[in-house]
Amino acid sequence: SQKIEQNSEALNIQEGKTATLTCNYTNYSPAYLQWYRQDPGRGPVFLLLIRENEKEKRKERLKVTFDTTLKQSLFHITASQPADSATYLCAFLSGNTPLVFGKGTRLSVIA
Amino acid sequence: NAGVTQTPKFRILKIGQSMTLQCTQDMNHNYMYWYRQDPGMGLKLIYYSVGAGITDKGEVPNGYNVSRSTTEDFPLRLELAAPSQTSVYFCASSRRTSGTTYNEQFFGPGTRLTVL
Repeated sequence: SQKIEQNSEALNIQEGKTATLTCNYTNYSPAYLQWYRQDPGRGPVFLLLIRENEKEKRKERLKVTFDTTLKQSLFHITASQPADSATYLCAFLSGNTPLVFGKGTRLSVIA
Repeated sequence: NAGVTQTPKFRILKIGQSMTLQCTQDMNHNYMYWYRQDPGMGLKLIYYSVGAGITDKGEVPNGYNVSRSTTEDFPLRLELAAPSQTSVYFCASSRRTSGTTYNEQFFGPGTRLTVL
C-alpha cells in the first residue's frame, strides 16, 4: 500500500541553525509534492510546491528538494528562528488522486 | 476575501446525535475537501468534491455524508455520532484546471468535535 513517512515526530534545533525535515514515500509515484505549515489550533498553510522534474525549489529561507530515486523530499529552513516553530506537513499528489498527507514533524527552534 | 470559513468552532455531541459542519469559501474554487485530524495521525481525507453536484469518497468516509449544491458551500453531515468521530475537522478548497499545476489547498480554521 502507499505510504508516506515523515522521519520524526519532533525535531529540536537551536536558533540560527538549519532545520532539515525528511519525507519518504513507498509504493507511490508522486507527480507533485507540497509542504504545509500548521500552528497549534489552526489549519495548515501552504508553503511550497515542487514537481517531480524539479530537483530543488526555494522561497526566502525555505528550500525543498525532491529525489525520485531515493523516494524522498527534504525541507530546509535556514537561519531558523523561534517563530519557525510549528508542525510541518508534506503531501504528495499523483495523477488525479487527492493529496495524501504525512503525519507531520513538530519543529521547535530554541532561542 | 474571507477565504475558507467553518462553523461551529467547537461542538460537543452525545452518542447518536446528528449535526452538520458548515464550510464556505469565497475564492470561487472548484475543488473542496473535508479532512479529519487526530493527534499524531495527520490529515485523513473524508470526502471531496470537484465541483457543484459532484462528490467522491476519500480514505475514511464511513459515518459521514456530504453534498455540494453550490460552488461556495460544502457541508459535512454526521448522522449518528460515535466516540470514534471525536476529532478536529478541516475543510479546504483549491482551484484546479485540467492540464495545469495542481494548486495549493486553502484550509479553514477547523471544528473541534467531541462525542461523549
